[in-house]
Amino acid sequence: QSALTQPASVSGSPGQSITISCTGTSSDVGGYNFVSWYQQHPGKAPKLMIYDVSNRPSGVSDRFSGSKSGNTASLTISGLQAEDEADYYCCSYTNTASWVFGGGTQLTVL
Amino acid sequence: EVQLVESGGGLVQPGGSLRLSCAASGFTFSTYDMHWVRQTTGKGLEWVSAIGIAGDTYYSGSVKGRFTVSRENPKNFLYLQMNSLRAGDTAVYYCTRKGYSGRLDAFDIWGPGTKVTVSS
Repeated sequence: QSALTQPASVSGSPGQSITISCTGTSSDVGGYNFVSWYQQHPGKAPKLMIYDVSNRPSGVSDRFSGSKSGNTASLTISGLQAEDEADYYCCSYTNTASWVFGGGTQLTVL
Repeated sequence: EVQLVESGGGLVQPGGSLRLSCAASGFTFSTYDMHWVRQTTGKGLEWVSAIGIAGDTYYSGSVKGRFTVSRENPKNFLYLQMNSLRAGDTAVYYCTRKGYSGRLDAFDIWGPGTKVTVSS
């Protein structure tokens, strides 16, 4: 199973909005609504930010939102804050009863 | 407090074996699917293995036939037996809980990870 495709890096200024894309195939992203997004700060474990394409776990800011169109999922962060600077990974269930992650996107808050 | 804590990582020679453990607390362990995810230094996350509540097991192609996942529900423990280890298995290994199917199909709780280094 090939990794999902994410941009290596994105950046934005405080207060701005950014979107991170996550492209897969009809065997994963396009075939299931089991897409999730994780935030990871250096040296820390990943933290769930979005599940089932567009749902936020309790405690996650509503500045984070998710969507999907065809084989591409997206994570949008609005009102960027310094604490949002981290790596972000998408993840999807696949048709081989496995899970696949994206390569990760480094978000820089300018 | 809901918590996962891994242990058992360390330095092992190529071809060697290692068993990772994950202690779960603060939730009804037996009712959740459990997974292992690894991360190589400076690289991304890679799904490794899973075990369902019925004991059904799943593996990535890169570890199938070498790794075995198991669980001990009465003790709230998850394990990963790793055999025939290779340099490419060097990574931080995370234990993670998947939410209830149909309600939260994602990894909602993660342990801090345990480091495995395969080197001579």
